[in-house]
Amino acid sequence: SYELTQPLSVSVALGQTARITCGGNNIGSKNVHWYQQKPGQAPVLVIYRDSNRPSGIPERFSGSNSGNTATLTISRAQAGDEADYYCQVWDSSTNWVFGGGTKLTVL
Amino acid sequence: QVQLVESGGGVVQPGGSLRLSCAASGFTFSSYGMHWVRQAPGKGLEWVAFIRYDGSNKYYADSVKGRFTISRDNSKNTLYLQMNSLRAEDTAVYYCAKLSCSGGSCYDNWFDPWGQGTLVTVSS
Repeated sequence: SYELTQPLSVSVALGQTARITCGGNNIGSKNVHWYQQKPGQAPVLVIYRDSNRPSGIPERFSGSNSGNTATLTISRAQAGDEADYYCQVWDSSTNWVFGGGTKLTVL
Repeated sequence: QVQLVESGGGVVQPGGSLRLSCAASGFTFSSYGMHWVRQAPGKGLEWVAFIRYDGSNKYYADSVKGRFTISRDNSKNTLYLQMNSLRAEDTAVYYCAKLSCSGGSCYDNWFDPWGQGTLVTVSS
C-alpha cells in the first residue's frame, strides 16, 4: 500500500519561511494536494495539483513536487498560519491516502 | 455557495449501527463523486469511502470494508454512510467532501469543500 510521510511538527519564526515535506515513493509522478486544518474546524484546501492555489489562499502559500518529496512552503509566516497540514494523493492500488499531518507552530 | 452539512452522529454501543447523512447544496450534486473522511480524536485524517457521481462505483478503506456502505440519493442531494458492526476504533469526526471534478474518472483530483463534520462515539 502507498504511504505518505510527514514530520510531526515544524516550527517557524514569525515572518520567516516554513517548509513542510511529504514523502512517498515516486510521489513526483502523482498529483499532491495540501489541506490546512485549524483546531475544531474542517480541513481547507490550500494547494492542489502540486503547486496551484485556490482562490482566496494567499500567495504566501506555494507547493512543489519532485522525486520522492512534495513540499508545502509558507512564506512570511503569520500567527494565523498555525494549524495542522495534510498532504494527500490518489494511488491506483491504495485509493485515497493522507499523510499523517504536520503541526505548524509560529514562534 | 457550495455547502455540505453532515448529520446523524451520536453515541452508539459496540456492535451497533448508525447512518450518517450529508446534505449538499449550491452545486449539481448528481455530477460529482463524494467522499467520507474521518478523524479520530487527536489523530490525522483517514479516507473512508468514495462513491462515483452516478453511484456506479464505490470504494472503501480496508478498515471499514464489509461493515460500512456508502450510498447517495441524487434526487435528494444527499450522501449517506451506513455504519454497521461499529467498534471503539470507529470513534471519530466524520466529514463528507466533494471531489473537485465532475463526471467520470478524475480520482486524483482534490477534496473541496468539506462539511463541518459529525461526531460518532462508539462506547458502552
